[in-house]
Amino acid sequence: EVQLVESGGGVVRPGGSLRLSCAASGFSFEDYSMNWVRQAPGKGLEWVSGIYWNGVSTGYADSVKGRFTISRDNAKKSLYLQMNSLRAEDTALYFCASLAVPGDYWGQGTLVTVSS
Amino acid sequence: AIHMTQSPSSLSASVGDRVTITCRASQGIRNDLGWYQQKSGKAPKLLIYTASKLQNGVPSRFSGSGFGTDFTLTIASLQPEDFATYYCLQDYGYPRTFGQGTKVEVK
Repeated sequence: EVQLVESGGGVVRPGGSLRLSCAASGFSFEDYSMNWVRQAPGKGLEWVSGIYWNGVSTGYADSVKGRFTISRDNAKKSLYLQMNSLRAEDTALYFCASLAVPGDYWGQGTLVTVSS
Repeated sequence: AIHMTQSPSSLSASVGDRVTITCRASQGIRNDLGWYQQKSGKAPKLLIYTASKLQNGVPSRFSGSGFGTDFTLTIASLQPEDFATYYCLQDYGYPRTFGQGTKVEVK
């Protein structure tokens, strides 16, 4: 069974940092590019960041560029998102997702709340 | 970044209706577009990839079309389980971008 399990969310003050993790199982994680997608409360989906299967190429939404860093450890079948200089508008449910075919896999999300 | 303009933002329809949702890209993206369905409180589910290919297990009443900048998702005959929010996603390189979403509601 394919599983993506996010962790690391929580409440943080503006300007603070958090590191999200996503643990993968049940598929060849090392063969997939992976992504972070977020959804603010009551809002639509926003693609945040992606990383190629080999970690060589990464991409970021303009809204997080320079503040967030994506990384992966294929040996540990894990994806990470280091989030610095957090703002209130970063408050959202953060999903780990493959966004691939045929294996379009999603986790259930981890909630990040940025509030003073 | 490529901007995706999705319309309408919401629509009301009845079971059996034909429903059409469109996405327009701010620049050409070939056919590098997918359509997702999201039900409240759940992770999104891929319906269509490469603009027109049906993901495994997705009912054939869903179809997609388009190339370049203009894309369409059609539900041929709306079923009760189809009331949800739909998003397009362009994957023509990084950064990827979603459309704003279309909420399909009961009329």
